[in-house]
Amino acid sequence: QLQLQESGPGLVKSPETLSLTCTVSGGSISSTNYYWGWIRQPPGKGLEWIGSVYYSGTTNCNSSLKSRVTISADTSKNQFSLKLSSVTAEDTAVYYCARLRIVVARRGDAFDIWGQGTMVTVSS
Amino acid sequence: QSALTQPPSASGSPGQSVTISCTGTRSDVGGFNYVSWYQQHPGKAPKLMIYEVTKRPSGVPDRFSGSKSGNTASLTVSGLQAEDEADYYCSSYAGSNNLVFGGGTKLTVL
Repeated sequence: QLQLQESGPGLVKSPETLSLTCTVSGGSISSTNYYWGWIRQPPGKGLEWIGSVYYSGTTNCNSSLKSRVTISADTSKNQFSLKLSSVTAEDTAVYYCARLRIVVARRGDAFDIWGQGTMVTVSS
Repeated sequence: QSALTQPPSASGSPGQSVTISCTGTRSDVGGFNYVSWYQQHPGKAPKLMIYEVTKRPSGVPDRFSGSKSGNTASLTVSGLQAEDEADYYCSSYAGSNNLVFGGGTKLTVL
């Protein structure tokens, strides 16, 4: 059964770079049927899509975060990663990694498997 | 892209049906049949309940159903049970491989 697990520092200082890794087990990120994505949720608030990556390295990012986001995939380690630069307190959130289904025309439509999430707090 | 609009709360008694709406635009909900719904219990990761507007993943009870009309998608929970009390989020494909979530609806089972 496919599982995803986020890892990385729980505390990041402003304005440094937040770095997280998602390790996939029970399946390969090299599948042609899925993208791999990052979603975040500030405390008490809703979900926000950050971006997604294909195993080949192709990425798509939320335009509101695009200038600060780098997402990459490492097929040799079966992992994908998120880097968010110049963080502020507004970036404090639970960060989830998830598998994103690919449908017609290579569109990503729904996140069908999620990691448990990791809380990242940005301090000043 | 702007977040999809959901009512902040909804409620119903056990056994009743409740419908949660998700309103977007022609650029997202109205333009594609790629609306999904997620259930999130406190402190837990979201769980996919509906994808492609109406389809249920394996293991999701058929009490959960989805529909769409124009720029508004809906999630209906029939035969409400105590364990259905959770936050529900909609999401839609928004073109150019972008995705957008709704603000979430807290469902209370009275």
